[in-house]
Amino acid sequence: DAGITQSPRHKVTETGTPVTLRCHQTENHRYMYWYRQDPGHGLRLIHYSYGVKDTDKGEVSDGYSVSRSKTEDFLLTLESATSSQTSVYFCATGRPSGNTGELFFGEGSRLTVL
Amino acid sequence: GDSVTQMEGPVTLSEEAFLTINCTYTATGYPSLFWYVQYPGEGLQLLLKATKADDKGSNKGFEATYRKETTSFHLEKGSVQVSDSAVYFCALMDSGGYQKVTFGTGTKLQVIP
Repeated sequence: DAGITQSPRHKVTETGTPVTLRCHQTENHRYMYWYRQDPGHGLRLIHYSYGVKDTDKGEVSDGYSVSRSKTEDFLLTLESATSSQTSVYFCATGRPSGNTGELFFGEGSRLTVL
Repeated sequence: GDSVTQMEGPVTLSEEAFLTINCTYTATGYPSLFWYVQYPGEGLQLLLKATKADDKGSNKGFEATYRKETTSFHLEKGSVQVSDSAVYFCALMDSGGYQKVTFGTGTKLQVIP
């Protein structure tokens, strides 16, 4: 299994505060992704990275930014958290394999914005 | 854009019952199709996959066949166990770059003894 760790695993914050979630992987996978999981919506892609300093937006990127300065780390930042960003956030990684490869997931970070 | 539609849950079955979870998709090109499973408190993990039409993916007694004519990838298992209780996600990976995956909304399965 890919070694993917997310931190923090749980966070409660107030509206308007900045929040950064960290994803760290030890498998040297090229691709990294941030998803959010919400009831009735499944997993939705926020941002993804296809290499160091190479990132792009997913389907629900408003209010989020990302950075990837090293292969192993992918940071997700909420510049000013809102209650609609209360969710469970999952990081995932993948290797180039055409379109046949699997994604490997972290255990999730539960964020509550009051 | 790409989309995945799967049956609403929760699905409650008795142990040893037959399981079907329906999944249909919309995509351009030739996507690969996946089923992922999420156990309580954990991230998702790959259950099975199929990369082209008529392929059958199988794992742990689960199987699904890639049906291009009906754009479907239904998950089946002949005899479920309590340990199969989890949330199941159908997903597709498009044939473009960067391996972006589109997920369905998930179907929660509860198996009772």
